[in-house]
Amino acid sequence: KAGVTQTPRYLIKTRGQQVTLSCSPISGHRSVSWYQQTPGQGLQFLFEYFSETQRNKGNFPGRFSGRQFSNSRSEMNVSTLELGDSALYLCASSLSSSFSGANVLTFGAGSRLTVL
Amino acid sequence: DQQVKQNSPSLSVQEGRISILNCDYTNSMFDYFLWYKKYPAEGPTFLISISSIKDKNEDGRFTVFLNKSAKHLSLHIVPSQPGDSAVYFCAATTPYNYGQNFVFGPGTRLSVLP
Repeated sequence: KAGVTQTPRYLIKTRGQQVTLSCSPISGHRSVSWYQQTPGQGLQFLFEYFSETQRNKGNFPGRFSGRQFSNSRSEMNVSTLELGDSALYLCASSLSSSFSGANVLTFGAGSRLTVL
Repeated sequence: DQQVKQNSPSLSVQEGRISILNCDYTNSMFDYFLWYKKYPAEGPTFLISISSIKDKNEDGRFTVFLNKSAKHLSLHIVPSQPGDSAVYFCAATTPYNYGQNFVFGPGTRLSVLP
């Protein structure tokens, strides 16, 4: 069973540019979440999608957006990149349609974004 | 304001001994807690979880203890092995969040020395 696939794995952008990251969840998983990991900050929740709808959103500016397609694949976009956006962006999928203890997040390997 | 805290950025333990990783939280509404392990260049992998109706959950060498009154949980690894060297994240969520929204701590880097 394939895991969560994120592309690209590494990318370098300059300030002001925009970036799109892609995530393919585990087959059958309908919930996709995005997290930003920076040193010392742990994983910060960006947003979660289920059935093409954003169900939860973290405290990030509007430059961060996402979407989910009918096949559950998800993309996140960051516009007008800032130096502070340099981070590891992690996507996670889950089987659950609502929270239950048995349904944990399965993470991809992440997309490491460097903003110069 | 960090709702989930892991006050030890790093921990070194001798192989075969016990590793104890600690996690504190401030939100009394959290009722489900998880530990994840992360190796470099990989995504976090689920380790063990505990519901607030329990105070202990065990899975092989890993045991998680929850003290609700102190808003504290800990992960015990016995015996520690060099392959356990990784960053460990504590995560929590509330029952009122519809969907998946976990709050993670900043992580503790565990080094198990041979």
